[in-house]
Amino acid sequence: QKEVEQNSGPLSVPEGAIASLNCTYSDRGSQSFFWYRQYSGKSPELIMSIYSNGDKEDGRFTAQLNKASQYVSLLIRDSQPSDSATYLCAVTVSSASKIIFGSGTRLSIRP
Amino acid sequence: EAGVVQSPRYKIIEKKQPVAFWCNPISGHNTLYWYLQNLGQGPELLIRYENEEAVDDSQLPKDRFSAERLKGVDSTLKIQPAELGDSAVYLCASSLGQETGELFFGEGSRLTVL
Repeated sequence: QKEVEQNSGPLSVPEGAIASLNCTYSDRGSQSFFWYRQYSGKSPELIMSIYSNGDKEDGRFTAQLNKASQYVSLLIRDSQPSDSATYLCAVTVSSASKIIFGSGTRLSIRP
Repeated sequence: EAGVVQSPRYKIIEKKQPVAFWCNPISGHNTLYWYLQNLGQGPELLIRYENEEAVDDSQLPKDRFSAERLKGVDSTLKIQPAELGDSAVYLCASSLGQETGELFFGEGSRLTVL
């Protein structure tokens, strides 16, 4: 079992709709969770971090964390073509004190 | 504030040749990471520094890869000799500390080994 798992996609969403990206992790001791966005040919950039159960909203982005289910998600409201990118989920692994990335979900927003 | 700076952006070499990548982190960031990213995959940690100390190099192939971070600022990652399978993007990132988990990445160095 991979430490951080994401559906590779591609996930195709119409412009203006809600895009929902999901991530599961294996280490129950993980405390910190992150979403990075990576445009093609570019490096990852942090867009959201979440540390406690529940929702965290930042503009059109909402991160959701459920530690009991070992599940973290990212919702993008009013999706725009500029949101088309690969979204990487990252989790701190407590046992090794390191940050592990998932393989990413490719999101495509169709006009 | 300047971001993480990496060089070179692109490097093409023949197998068995050496190659080196350089990284200058954000000023004040004590933690520096080198990641490797293959196409369609997430970044994989090679080595993490806290100041000048390598605190996690468990994933670094030490037979051919080496890294250093002199004076706890700039870092260099070296491969000698390079193999075909080393073709990838090498990403440097920095953060205020491992606890934050909020990494700032450089633009990466794309290596092609022929």
